[in-house]
Amino acid sequence: NAGVTQTPKFQVLKTGQSMTLQCAQDMNHEYMSWYRQDPGMGLRLIHYSVGAGITDQGEVPNGYNVSRSTTEDFPLRLLSAAPSQTSVYFCASSLQGNKGYTFGSGTRLTVV
Amino acid sequence: AQSVTQLDSQVPVFEEAPVELRCNYSSSVSVYLFWYVQYPNQGLQLLLKYLSGSTLVKGINGFEAEFNKSLTSIHLRKPSVHISDTAEYFCAAIPYGQNFVFGPGTRLSVLP
Repeated sequence: NAGVTQTPKFQVLKTGQSMTLQCAQDMNHEYMSWYRQDPGMGLRLIHYSVGAGITDQGEVPNGYNVSRSTTEDFPLRLLSAAPSQTSVYFCASSLQGNKGYTFGSGTRLTVV
Repeated sequence: AQSVTQLDSQVPVFEEAPVELRCNYSSSVSVYLFWYVQYPNQGLQLLLKYLSGSTLVKGINGFEAEFNKSLTSIHLRKPSVHISDTAEYFCAAIPYGQNFVFGPGTRLSVLP
């Protein structure tokens, strides 16, 4: 099993550029989430999904967009990158949201 | 709103010494509680989880935690740490029917 796969591992963007962070899981998990990790702030929820076709906003959704067309994939789109979006992004999935998540290895994004 | 507090941002400890990492949560409803570990440049790995039942929870890598409902705490302990335990540790809570809330993290440094 690959678990939760995130690509790319590293990315540098210029302010104003757009890009998509990919996340895929092969565990048939219904719940998927995107978090950003910043020093001293732990992980903050950006968007989450409880199943294909269903998404909702988390704590810090501004500047990000998601869709969930399949159970396996949950891409995160940055519409117009800003330096404040420099962070490490983690995707996570769970069979049931209250039983704990499996995390991907992260994408380190720098916006210059 | 639910919040998770990790009282120590950094904990240095000598190898083979015991360690306790503290976590408190605020919630008036039942919650599920988790401890995750993040090794340098890696994703988060589940150490243990408390869903219900016994207040002493065994995790991986020799870690355990004691849940105390009256003190709203779930402190993580290990009787003898190794250099390889150097990592960042995150406490997280899921109030029933809601999403994960992470604490800010505690950086454990094990010194030779």
